[in-house]
Amino acid sequence: DQQVKQNSPSLSVQEGRISILNCDYTNSMFDYFLWYKKYPAEGPTFLISISSIKDKNEDGRFTVFLNKSAKHLSLHIVPSQPGDSAVYFCAARRISNFGNEKLTFGTGTRLTIIP
Amino acid sequence: DGGITQSPKYLFRKEGQNVTLSCEQNLNHDAMYWYRQDPGQGLRLIYYSQIVNDFQKGDIAEGYSVSREKKESFPLTVTSAQKNPTAFYLCASSIPGTRDTPNEQFFGPGTRLTVL
Repeated sequence: DQQVKQNSPSLSVQEGRISILNCDYTNSMFDYFLWYKKYPAEGPTFLISISSIKDKNEDGRFTVFLNKSAKHLSLHIVPSQPGDSAVYFCAARRISNFGNEKLTFGTGTRLTIIP
Repeated sequence: DGGITQSPKYLFRKEGQNVTLSCEQNLNHDAMYWYRQDPGQGLRLIYYSQIVNDFQKGDIAEGYSVSREKKESFPLTVTSAQKNPTAFYLCASSIPGTRDTPNEQFFGPGTRLTVL
């Protein structure tokens, strides 16, 4: 059961334009959502997060939007740069009744920025 | 320089052999995690440890074992019981999050295990 879904395996965007990466989730118990960026043969690095009680969080060129009623979030990158070419993972956090926190990751979207 | 190291970067083993993947961190993080990544799939949680001498199974723990004897180290053993062990393995660590802040996990560079 895939609780976090990234339905677009790949996306190509012209340099300077806006990149929009989408993520859907099914579990209402998720309280935080995170985006990670991954280059080939490297571990993912944290990019930006948003609490489930917010609808927008911005950090420089990166903005994450959350639509809780639709169980949908999106990452906007503007303007897109060649160094943004990577795989982007959406992740959702849940805290269990025992206080353990776990992240559930989506399948990733490979973003290619065309010069 | 603080960070997470995983060694080796590439590992080859014969079918039926156990193999242990190393993960060390000097970030003073209490929590550590092991994930597996397969082509076209997200990161799937194998085991995690919130504190020394304690660990819990993740979503795909069968065929794996871990230990957490030291804060800095969280080795993962891929046993012969794991049916499809060939994959990219990622270790991560974090300061435990709170209700108000997420646990930003820091990842190592990964180990690609190939079982022949």
